[in-house]
Amino acid sequence: EAQVTQNPRYLITVTGKKLTVTCSQNMNHEYMSWYRQDPGLGLRQIYYSMNVEVTDKGDVPEGYKVSRKEKRNFPLILESPSPNQTSLYFCASSLGRGRSYEQYFGPGTRLTVT
Amino acid sequence: DAKTTQPTSMDCAEGRAANLPCNHSTISGNEYVYWYRQIHSQGPQYIIHGLKNNETNEMASLIITEDRKSSTLILPHATLRDTAVYYCIVRVAFGNEKLTFGTGTRLTIIP
Repeated sequence: EAQVTQNPRYLITVTGKKLTVTCSQNMNHEYMSWYRQDPGLGLRQIYYSMNVEVTDKGDVPEGYKVSRKEKRNFPLILESPSPNQTSLYFCASSLGRGRSYEQYFGPGTRLTVT
Repeated sequence: DAKTTQPTSMDCAEGRAANLPCNHSTISGNEYVYWYRQIHSQGPQYIIHGLKNNETNEMASLIITEDRKSSTLILPHATLRDTAVYYCIVRVAFGNEKLTFGTGTRLTIIP
């Protein structure tokens, strides 16, 4: 089954404790992206990747890091989480380069930073 | 990317057609219209897209006006499972495929 998986689905952590949210897709997609969703603000893009070893900032990259060492995985790293990073996070993927109009989203990771 | 305007909420009776409008008066010639929906807090789901012709797939139909300044998503026979927030997005097809979700339309299907 074609899918995007995220782990963990729920996470409660404390300020400053480094964490990683994993994202993996099984569709051989080149394009991957991370979003956060906050009430009243819609989805905002954090980082995106057009292919392996190619990443770029989205609209709200501060406080986040990403890596794309292999095509299927695109982890989101919070080196020193803060309460304002409490949010619902989504990973998405697509074929990329305009070859597909559909983006597939993961189920979401609800993060709470206290 | 062009901005879009959608009604905040709509109701539709189960089994009837749900028609969701979207205004995108500043759309450029190379920008597509995409529709996604989000059920509760699940990951958004692609529905349909179009450039200037009307489109239909197994989920919905998309009607784009001739001047491309507005469009309507049609769910032909709405079911309770179609209750969701529907987002109309306008952007080019290439490059960063960022999806800018506004507030969308909260569609409630009434039994």
